[in-house]
Amino acid sequence: GENVGLHLPTLSVQEGDNSIINCAYSNSASDYFIWYKQESGKGPQFIIDIRSNMDKRQGQRVTVLLNKTVKHLSLQIAATQPGDSAVYFCADSNSGYSTLTFGKGTMLLVSP
Amino acid sequence: NAGVTQTPKFQVLKTGQSMTLQCAQDMNHNSMYWYRQDPGMGLRLIYYSASEGTTDKGEVPNGYNVSRLNKREFSLRLESAAPSQTSVYFCASSQRHNSYEQYFGPGTRLTVT
Repeated sequence: GENVGLHLPTLSVQEGDNSIINCAYSNSASDYFIWYKQESGKGPQFIIDIRSNMDKRQGQRVTVLLNKTVKHLSLQIAATQPGDSAVYFCADSNSGYSTLTFGKGTMLLVSP
Repeated sequence: NAGVTQTPKFQVLKTGQSMTLQCAQDMNHNSMYWYRQDPGMGLRLIYYSASEGTTDKGEVPNGYNVSRLNKREFSLRLESAAPSQTSVYFCASSQRHNSYEQYFGPGTRLTVT
Protein backbone atom coordinates (compact mmCIF):
# COMPACT_ATOMS: atom_id res chain seq x y z
CA GLY A 1 0.00 0.00 0.00
CA GLU A 2 0.95 3.63 -0.15
CA ASN A 3 3.58 4.66 2.37
CA VAL A 4 2.49 7.97 3.87
CA GLY A 5 5.66 9.25 5.48
CA LEU A 6 6.76 12.28 7.34
CA HIS A 7 6.96 15.19 4.90
CA LEU A 8 9.34 17.54 6.63
CA PRO A 9 11.41 20.25 5.00
CA THR A 10 14.84 18.73 4.62
CA LEU A 11 18.27 20.33 4.55
CA SER A 12 21.10 18.19 3.20
CA VAL A 13 24.67 19.30 3.83
CA GLN A 14 28.17 17.89 3.67
CA GLU A 15 30.18 17.27 6.80
CA GLY A 16 32.14 20.39 7.69
CA ASP A 17 29.70 22.80 6.05
CA ASN A 18 27.78 25.39 8.02
CA SER A 19 24.04 24.73 8.29
CA ILE A 20 21.26 27.27 8.60
CA ILE A 21 17.80 26.15 9.68
CA ASN A 22 15.00 28.67 9.47
CA CYS A 23 11.77 29.10 11.35
CA ALA A 24 8.90 31.56 11.08
CA TYR A 25 6.62 32.27 14.01
CA SER A 26 3.23 33.91 13.99
CA ASN A 27 2.59 35.23 17.49
CA SER A 28 3.85 38.80 17.76
CA ALA A 29 3.44 38.55 21.56
CA SER A 30 6.01 35.74 21.82
CA ASP A 31 9.01 36.81 23.83
CA TYR A 32 11.02 33.59 24.26
CA PHE A 33 12.29 31.31 21.52
CA ILE A 34 13.89 27.91 21.78
CA TRP A 35 15.53 25.36 19.50
CA TYR A 36 15.28 21.62 20.11
CA LYS A 37 17.04 18.70 18.42
CA GLN A 38 15.30 15.35 18.06
CA GLU A 39 17.24 12.28 17.00
CA SER A 40 15.38 9.31 15.57
CA GLY A 41 13.48 7.40 18.23
CA LYS A 42 14.33 9.85 21.01
CA GLY A 43 12.72 12.76 22.79
CA PRO A 44 13.59 16.37 21.89
CA GLN A 45 16.73 17.80 23.43
CA PHE A 46 17.17 21.48 24.29
CA ILE A 47 19.85 23.28 22.23
CA ILE A 48 19.64 27.01 22.82
CA ASP A 49 17.16 29.74 23.62
CA ILE A 50 16.89 33.48 23.11
CA ARG A 51 14.76 36.24 24.59
CA SER A 52 13.04 38.84 22.48
CA ASN A 53 15.29 41.63 23.78
CA MET A 54 18.23 39.99 21.98
CA ASP A 55 19.02 39.60 18.28
CA LYS A 56 21.70 36.96 18.55
CA ARG A 57 22.93 34.37 21.00
CA GLN A 58 25.84 31.98 20.64
CA GLY A 59 26.44 28.57 22.10
CA GLN A 60 28.92 25.85 21.36
CA ARG A 61 28.96 25.59 17.54
CA VAL A 62 25.43 27.01 17.39
CA THR A 63 24.10 30.53 16.95
CA VAL A 64 20.48 31.64 17.08
CA LEU A 65 19.39 34.78 15.27
CA LEU A 66 16.09 36.52 15.90
CA ASN A 67 14.45 39.02 13.57
CA LYS A 68 11.35 40.29 15.30
CA THR A 69 10.44 42.61 12.43
CA VAL A 70 9.67 39.71 10.12
CA LYS A 71 9.03 37.16 12.91
CA HIS A 72 11.87 34.92 11.83
CA LEU A 73 14.25 32.75 13.80
CA SER A 74 17.29 30.85 12.52
CA LEU A 75 19.69 28.29 13.92
CA GLN A 76 23.21 28.22 12.53
CA ILE A 77 25.37 25.17 13.13
CA ALA A 78 29.07 25.57 12.41
CA ALA A 79 31.19 22.75 11.01
CA THR A 80 28.23 20.37 10.80
CA GLN A 81 28.97 16.80 11.82
CA PRO A 82 27.16 13.52 11.03
CA GLY A 83 25.99 13.48 14.66
CA ASP A 84 24.05 16.66 13.97
CA SER A 85 21.68 14.71 11.71
CA ALA A 86 18.27 15.04 13.35
CA VAL A 87 14.99 16.92 13.21
CA TYR A 88 15.24 20.46 14.55
CA PHE A 89 12.26 22.24 16.06
CA CYS A 90 11.81 25.85 16.95
CA ALA A 91 9.35 26.76 19.68
CA ASP A 92 8.09 30.05 21.02
CA SER A 93 6.37 31.19 24.14
CA ASN A 94 4.67 34.13 25.70
CA SER A 95 5.97 34.64 29.21
CA GLY A 96 2.45 35.31 30.35
CA TYR A 97 1.52 31.72 29.57
CA SER A 98 4.83 29.86 29.83
CA THR A 99 3.90 26.97 27.58
CA LEU A 100 5.75 26.23 24.36
CA THR A 101 4.30 26.22 20.85
CA PHE A 102 6.37 24.04 18.55
CA GLY A 103 6.92 24.41 14.83
CA LYS A 104 6.67 21.44 12.49
CA GLY A 105 10.41 20.80 12.30
CA THR A 106 13.21 20.61 9.74
CA MET A 107 15.19 17.47 9.05
CA LEU A 108 18.95 17.99 8.78
CA LEU A 109 20.87 15.29 6.90
CA VAL A 110 24.67 15.41 7.10
CA SER A 111 26.65 13.26 4.73
CA PRO A 112 30.31 12.39 5.35
CA ASN B 1 19.82 10.50 37.39
CA ALA B 2 17.44 8.83 34.96
CA GLY B 3 15.86 12.18 34.01
CA VAL B 4 12.36 11.67 32.61
CA THR B 5 11.16 8.09 32.24
CA GLN B 6 8.03 6.87 30.48
CA THR B 7 6.25 3.53 30.43
CA PRO B 8 5.38 1.68 28.33
CA LYS B 9 7.61 2.29 25.30
CA PHE B 10 5.12 0.72 22.89
CA GLN B 11 1.43 -0.11 23.15
CA VAL B 12 -1.26 -1.38 20.79
CA LEU B 13 -4.89 -0.85 21.78
CA LYS B 14 -8.20 -1.69 20.20
CA THR B 15 -10.74 1.08 19.72
CA GLY B 16 -12.62 1.66 22.98
CA GLN B 17 -9.95 0.24 25.28
CA SER B 18 -8.46 2.36 28.04
CA MET B 19 -4.94 2.77 29.26
CA THR B 20 -2.69 5.00 31.35
CA LEU B 21 0.69 6.27 30.25
CA GLN B 22 3.08 6.77 33.13
CA CYS B 23 5.74 9.45 33.49
CA ALA B 24 8.21 10.12 36.27
CA GLN B 25 11.07 12.58 36.72
CA ASP B 26 13.86 12.55 39.27
CA MET B 27 15.10 16.13 38.81
CA ASN B 28 12.81 17.64 41.46
CA HIS B 29 11.09 19.70 38.77
CA ASN B 30 7.89 21.51 39.59
CA SER B 31 6.23 21.50 36.16
CA MET B 32 5.34 18.56 33.94
CA TYR B 33 3.82 18.29 30.46
CA TRP B 34 2.26 15.80 28.08
CA TYR B 35 2.66 16.21 24.31
CA ARG B 36 1.67 14.19 21.30
CA GLN B 37 3.72 14.10 18.12
CA ASP B 38 2.16 13.22 14.77
CA PRO B 39 3.91 13.15 11.38
CA GLY B 40 4.24 16.67 10.01
CA MET B 41 2.54 18.23 13.05
CA GLY B 42 5.38 18.89 15.43
CA LEU B 43 4.64 18.56 19.14
CA ARG B 44 1.24 19.56 20.49
CA LEU B 45 0.56 20.12 24.16
CA ILE B 46 -2.18 17.94 25.63
CA TYR B 47 -2.12 18.85 29.34
CA TYR B 48 0.34 20.32 31.77
CA SER B 49 0.84 20.64 35.48
CA ALA B 50 2.50 23.84 36.60
CA SER B 51 2.99 22.48 40.11
CA GLU B 52 1.93 19.56 42.26
CA GLY B 53 -1.83 19.68 42.72
CA THR B 54 -2.64 21.67 39.56
CA THR B 55 -3.39 20.62 36.00
CA ASP B 56 -4.42 22.64 32.94
CA LYS B 57 -5.52 21.90 29.41
CA GLY B 58 -3.22 22.46 26.50
CA GLU B 59 -3.92 22.68 22.80
CA VAL B 60 -5.45 19.20 22.27
CA PRO B 61 -6.97 17.90 25.55
CA ASN B 62 -10.07 16.15 24.20
CA GLY B 63 -10.12 12.41 24.88
CA TYR B 64 -7.48 12.58 27.62
CA ASN B 65 -7.30 12.99 31.37
CA VAL B 66 -4.27 13.55 33.57
CA SER B 67 -3.28 13.06 37.19
CA ARG B 68 -0.39 14.70 38.97
CA LEU B 69 0.10 11.92 41.48
CA ASN B 70 2.91 13.66 43.35
CA LYS B 71 5.82 15.93 42.46
CA ARG B 72 7.59 13.14 40.55
CA GLU B 73 4.76 11.53 38.62
CA PHE B 74 2.31 12.74 35.98
CA SER B 75 0.08 10.22 34.22
CA LEU B 76 -2.00 10.50 31.05
CA ARG B 77 -5.15 8.42 30.67
CA LEU B 78 -7.08 7.50 27.55
CA GLU B 79 -10.54 6.40 28.72
CA SER B 80 -11.82 5.13 25.35
CA ALA B 81 -9.07 5.00 22.76
CA ALA B 82 -9.77 6.06 19.17
CA PRO B 83 -7.65 5.57 16.02
CA SER B 84 -7.11 9.37 15.95
CA GLN B 85 -5.09 8.96 19.15
CA THR B 86 -2.46 6.89 17.36
CA SER B 87 0.65 8.94 17.99
CA VAL B 88 3.92 9.19 19.87
CA TYR B 89 3.43 10.64 23.35
CA PHE B 90 6.13 12.57 25.14
CA CYS B 91 6.29 13.62 28.74
CA ALA B 92 8.47 16.57 29.74
CA SER B 93 9.39 18.44 32.89
CA SER B 94 10.84 21.82 33.75
CA GLN B 95 12.20 23.42 36.88
CA ARG B 96 9.41 25.95 37.12
CA HIS B 97 6.38 27.00 35.19
CA ASN B 98 8.08 29.92 33.45
CA SER B 99 11.17 27.95 32.53
CA TYR B 100 11.45 27.25 28.84
CA GLU B 101 14.05 24.51 29.09
CA GLN B 102 11.93 21.40 29.14
CA TYR B 103 13.47 17.93 29.53
CA PHE B 104 11.77 15.21 27.53
CA GLY B 105 11.31 11.51 28.09
CA PRO B 106 11.96 8.88 25.37
CA GLY B 107 8.32 8.67 24.31
CA THR B 108 5.55 6.08 24.10
CA ARG B 109 4.49 4.90 20.67
CA LEU B 110 0.75 4.15 20.77
CA THR B 111 -1.23 2.50 17.99
CA VAL B 112 -5.02 2.27 18.19
CA THR B 113 -6.62 -0.17 15.74
